[in-house]
Amino acid sequence: GAGVSQSPSNKVTEKGKDVELRCDPISGHTALYWYRQSLGQGLEFLIYFQGNSAPDKSGLPSDRFSAERTGGSVSTLTIQRTQQEDSAVYLCASSSASGRYTQYFGPGTRLTVL
Amino acid sequence: ILNVEQSPQSLHVQEGDSTNFTCSFPSSNFYALHWYRWETAKSPEALFVMTLNGDEKKKGRISATLNTKEGYSYLYIKGSQPEDSATYLCAFATDSWGKLQFGAGTQVVVTP
Repeated sequence: GAGVSQSPSNKVTEKGKDVELRCDPISGHTALYWYRQSLGQGLEFLIYFQGNSAPDKSGLPSDRFSAERTGGSVSTLTIQRTQQEDSAVYLCASSSASGRYTQYFGPGTRLTVL
Repeated sequence: ILNVEQSPQSLHVQEGDSTNFTCSFPSSNFYALHWYRWETAKSPEALFVMTLNGDEKKKGRISATLNTKEGYSYLYIKGSQPEDSATYLCAFATDSWGKLQFGAGTQVVVTP
C-alpha cells in the first residue's frame, strides 16, 4: 500500500517568506508526527497529532511555526517569516497508534532559506 | 532534557565481518525504544520497537537487545554487506504518545 508522502520534496525560499509543508500519512493512521533534522544535528521532535488534535506541541521552536491536521489525515506545517536557521529536512511520520508502535516516515522536505 | 547517546558515531566494516553498536538512554520513565535505518536520500526505515527489559529482536542479519534497567540497547549486524551501509538511529519514547527522542546515529560503512 501507499506509504507516507510529503510535498514538496525540495523548497527554496527567501528569508521572511512563509512556507507550507504537506504530509499525507498512511490511510487509517491516527497518530502523526513532525520532526526535523538541521545540518549536523539529530532528528528533533516538533509536534504530535492524535486525530486532529495536537496534544504535544512542545517541540515547535518558535511561534512562527504552526501545524494543523484535517479530517484525521493530511497535515500541514507552516513556517511564517522564515529564517536561515529554519533550513533543515522536515520529516513526517505516521503510526496506527502511538508509543509502542512503529512510526513510518515519509521522504522528507528539504527546506533551504536563503 | 533527555539524552539518547549512540556510539560510536561512525564505523567502517569489511564485507562479511560482524559488528555492533550501542544506544544509551535514561533508565527512568522508559516506555519504548525504536531502531531505524536511514539511507541517504531515503526515508528512515523502521527496524525494531522494543518495550520489555531483556527483549531480543531479529530481522534477517540484524538483531537488537534491550536492557531497560541499565539503559542501553545493542544493535548487531552479522556478516555485514555493502547494502547495510546506512545511519542507524535509536529513539526513546517516555510515554504512550510516542514522541521520540533520537540519538545522533551511528553511520556504518561496509566496504567490499
